[in-house]
Amino acid sequence: NAGVTQTPKFRVLKTGQSMTLLCAQDMNHEYMYWYRQDPGMGLRLIHYSVGEGTTAKGEVPDGYNVSRLKKQNFLLGLESAAPSQTSVYFCASTNGGDPHRQFFGPGTRLTVL
Amino acid sequence: RKEVEQDPGPFNVPEGATVAFNCTYSNSASQSFFWYRQDCRKEPKLLMSVYSSGNEDGRFTAQLNRASQYISLLIRDSKLSDSATYLCVVSGGGSSNTGKLIFGQGTTLQVKP
Repeated sequence: NAGVTQTPKFRVLKTGQSMTLLCAQDMNHEYMYWYRQDPGMGLRLIHYSVGEGTTAKGEVPDGYNVSRLKKQNFLLGLESAAPSQTSVYFCASTNGGDPHRQFFGPGTRLTVL
Repeated sequence: RKEVEQDPGPFNVPEGATVAFNCTYSNSASQSFFWYRQDCRKEPKLLMSVYSSGNEDGRFTAQLNRASQYISLLIRDSKLSDSATYLCVVSGGGSSNTGKLIFGQGTTLQVKP
């Protein structure tokens, strides 16, 4: 089992460019989450999904969109990147039986110039 | 005020020392409590859940005081491998169980030889 994987691991964007971060899990988990982690801020929830075809906003959703077309994949999109979106992005997944025990991917380090 | 507050440290302790971290949370509706561990530039991983009666896992002891909205983690006989950031994590509260978590900014522990 690969667990939770994230693509890409690193990316540098210019302001206004778009990109999609991919999260994939092979544990048949129902719930998936996107977080961002900034120095001194802790992890903050961007969007989450409680099942295929469903998504919901978290604490800091502005500037991001998500899609969950397949159960194993959760995509995070930045339509027009801004320097304030420079961060480390973590994806996590869990099953419905114990939704607070989350398994995290290795993270994507994004820099927006 | 942050929903989950921790002293960021760093805590510098010698091997074999006992060290305690504290955390306070603001949402009295939160039902579940956890400590996650995050190594430098790595993803967070669940260390242990925290129960009202207190719980122990080897050298680690977690305590919860619901009245004071206070959580603690005690590490006995510190090892070099305990060096990491410890994240206090609280469930989002509310009636729907979506697995939403609120993370503290973390407390950094450095164990010295």
